[in-house]
Amino acid sequence: DTGVSQDPRHKITKRGQNVTFRCDPISEHNRLYWYRQTLGQGPEFLTYFQNEAQLEKSRLLSDRFSAERPKGSFSTLEIQRTEQGDSAMYLCASSLQFGTGVTGNTIYFGEGSWLTVV
Amino acid sequence: DAKTTQPPSMDCAEGRAANLPCNHSTISGNEYVYWYRQIHSQGPQYIIHGLKNNETNEMASLIITEDRKSSTLILPHATLRDTAVYYCIVRGYSNYQLIWGAGTKLIIKP
Repeated sequence: DTGVSQDPRHKITKRGQNVTFRCDPISEHNRLYWYRQTLGQGPEFLTYFQNEAQLEKSRLLSDRFSAERPKGSFSTLEIQRTEQGDSAMYLCASSLQFGTGVTGNTIYFGEGSWLTVV
Repeated sequence: DAKTTQPPSMDCAEGRAANLPCNHSTISGNEYVYWYRQIHSQGPQYIIHGLKNNETNEMASLIITEDRKSSTLILPHATLRDTAVYYCIVRGYSNYQLIWGAGTKLIIKP
């Protein structure tokens, strides 16, 4: 499978614990995005990387949220001191910055990582 | 806020064509119309996109009006597996952010 891969798919954690999600983008894609989705809502943009540079992070929900993409390949999203309100699906996506052909720079999503904070 | 307006829900009989409308009256000349769908508990799946010409791929067809203020996604022969929430999104060519509305919940009935 050459799509966007996310791990773990499901995580249950106790309030106050830290959690980390990993995303492996489509191999040639230089942009990587993180979104959050709660039940009944559309995805909400959090942050994105172009290669290893994090170009937009003002939408991260609080300073408990951080993301890295150290070598411009995979990325991690960490949530520190989790709260029950952090329970959601965390989506990773990737794209080319400039694409050609039929799909161009379409953004492709992974299957998501479900977080439940108890 | 989302730049698109979609009906909250639609039904379609299995085997028939499903036509999902979307209004995007404030679309700019360099903005594309993208369609994604999300089957329950899964990540969004890209379907199709277009700028001003009609487009077709193995999943669907996209019809964009001449004034570009609205579009229709057509699933030619709907199956039960097409039951999902369908999102219409307007995006500038290299915009990094997708702004999602509420989408249309499409239910395919046997």
